[in-house]
Amino acid sequence: NAGVTQTPKFRVLKTGQSMTLLCAQDMNHEYMYWYRQDPGMGLRLIHYSVGEGTTAKGEVPDGYNVSRLKKQNFLLGLESAAPSQTSVYFCASSPADSNQPQHFGDGTRLSIL
Amino acid sequence: LAKTTQPISMDSYEGQEVNITCSHNNIATNDYITWYQQFPSQGPRFIIQGYKTKVTNEVASLFIPADRKSSTLSLPRVSLSDTAVYYCLVGDVRYSSASKIIFGSGTRLSIRP
Repeated sequence: NAGVTQTPKFRVLKTGQSMTLLCAQDMNHEYMYWYRQDPGMGLRLIHYSVGEGTTAKGEVPDGYNVSRLKKQNFLLGLESAAPSQTSVYFCASSPADSNQPQHFGDGTRLSIL
Repeated sequence: LAKTTQPISMDSYEGQEVNITCSHNNIATNDYITWYQQFPSQGPRFIIQGYKTKVTNEVASLFIPADRKSSTLSLPRVSLSDTAVYYCLVGDVRYSSASKIIFGSGTRLSIRP
């Protein structure tokens, strides 16, 4: 019963490098979300997806891209990492046919030097 | 946008009942109220959800007045392990964009022996 799995758990990048964060869920949820959480702050929505092949912008989408090629996976990409993107990134999923709560992964701690 | 307002922090002692109130003056007719708990270095975890009146589960109760412009999370007989950040969310992904369901900064609850 894995739920939501995020890969990797930790990563250090240099400014300008690119990387992709992977989120996988095994609950057959239609909705998936990417959030960032800065120290002492709440979660801010970056992008989300309401189904395979669809994505939409959240509150803070700039500097990030996403893809949802398979229902169970939601990828978050940083094309050219900046120090301002140092944060903890959380992925979540939820069903679309009822107002069930979001299920979260354990986060990816990303540092940009 | 169903913005919520919560106290930034609260302190209590083991064995006490703790009530955290959330204000959501512009809640929409279809919106549900959902509370999450977050421990350090973990993703948020669902606690309780309600639409009106009172909801109770094994860990908490949720009180919602008739006008639904606020809600109160009640934690009975707290222990040190209840020290966490608590978030109140308002919305329903079936009827509004996920980008309008905002986590906010939450309430940092500290429990002392």
